[in-house]
Amino acid sequence: NAGVMQNPRHLVRRRGQEARLRCSPMKGHSHVYWYRQLPEEGLKFMVYLQKENIIDESGMPKERFSAEFPKEGPSILRIQQVVRGDSAAYFCASSGQGGSQETQYFGPGTRLLVL
Amino acid sequence: LAKTTQPISMDSYEGQEVNITCSHNNIATNDYITWYQQFPSQGPRFIIQGYKTKVTNEVASLFIPADRKSSTLSLPRVSLSDTAVYYCLVGPGRNTGFQKLVFGTGTRLLVSP
Repeated sequence: NAGVMQNPRHLVRRRGQEARLRCSPMKGHSHVYWYRQLPEEGLKFMVYLQKENIIDESGMPKERFSAEFPKEGPSILRIQQVVRGDSAAYFCASSGQGGSQETQYFGPGTRLLVL
Repeated sequence: LAKTTQPISMDSYEGQEVNITCSHNNIATNDYITWYQQFPSQGPRFIIQGYKTKVTNEVASLFIPADRKSSTLSLPRVSLSDTAVYYCLVGPGRNTGFQKLVFGTGTRLLVSP
């Protein structure tokens, strides 16, 4: 009965490198959400995906960030040419249905540090 | 989305009841109220959700007055392990389309021995 899985748990990158964050939703869930959390702040929504579709990416920075949720495999949040300001905790959540009232179950997060 | 206001922090002692109030003056008719708990270095964890009156589960109770402009999360007999940040969220209900969850800064609860 695994929950939401994220890997890696910690990721260190140098400026200009790429970061790939993976999220496997709970079994039976087809809706995935990505959030970013800076120290001492609440989570900020980034993107909402269903299988093979991006539903809402209004929280994603316009450049360098992309997300996908392929038919097979985990959801991927990709950050190209990372900068120090990208250092944060990135959380993935999943739900069985897409309404906001549906409970979102969160993973343990990936802590990205950009040197 | 309705904006929420919570106390920044609260202190309590083991065995006491803790009540955290959240204000959401602009809550819409079909909005639900949801509370999450977050421990350090972990993702948020769903605690409880309600629409009106009172909801109770094995972890907490949620009290919502008739005007729904506020809600109170009640944690009975807290223990040290209840030390966490508690977030109050307000969002649309079922079948109204996706609306992103909006987390404020939450309430930092510190439980002491």
